[in-house]
Amino acid sequence: GAVVSQHPSRVICKSGTSVKIECRSLDFQATTMFWYRQFPKQSLMLMATSNEGSKATYEQGVEKDKFLINHASLTLSTLTVTSAHPEDSSFYICSATKTGLAGNTIYFGEGSWLTVV
Amino acid sequence: DAKTTQPPSMDCAEGRAANLPCNHSTISGNEYVYWYRQIHSQGPQYIIHGLKNNETNEMASLIITEDRKSSTLILPHATLRDTAVYYCIVRGNAGNMLTFGGGTRLMVKP
Repeated sequence: GAVVSQHPSRVICKSGTSVKIECRSLDFQATTMFWYRQFPKQSLMLMATSNEGSKATYEQGVEKDKFLINHASLTLSTLTVTSAHPEDSSFYICSATKTGLAGNTIYFGEGSWLTVV
Repeated sequence: DAKTTQPPSMDCAEGRAANLPCNHSTISGNEYVYWYRQIHSQGPQYIIHGLKNNETNEMASLIITEDRKSSTLILPHATLRDTAVYYCIVRGNAGNMLTFGGGTRLMVKP
């Protein structure tokens, strides 16, 4: 079954509005989660690192005021796309690391399709 | 993390073994080889990982060369549902982030 879950899987919003995407680790705690963005026929690009209890760290070129990240608990990180524009339409994916007997394994959520109209 | 090189695309007949190569010539001693796949419109799915020994699980086998500079992911009996982009990624066990390259687009054909 799923280890990391995202919600919603698909969302359509109007230009200028904000939309929130949730990422949950289902049976483990994750002090760090990662947010990726993927455009059609391209590979995943890391946007930011979500740190529980502290500020997120953003990759170069990613606007922190536009992509707000909150990691309020050890099992939940949220990404809020503020004042969305059509060019923000993309596939957003989160990941979290689970520690086990075989070491650390990174699991991904199912992804969230955002369409801004 | 070390960089990896994969062929951009491969075809495989349904029911046959799919062998996906990956070159990671700059891999360092403490870095693992991870394989993920991404089926269209879904998040990446973990397949398998290894350090230097060959590994097998219910999904696939991972063969790592003795010098660790390359590896091969083997899907023993490919099905149409195995059509996906397969990513080979190298990272240290302590790292939490993955850097994705272009991957290999595997097309399983009837």
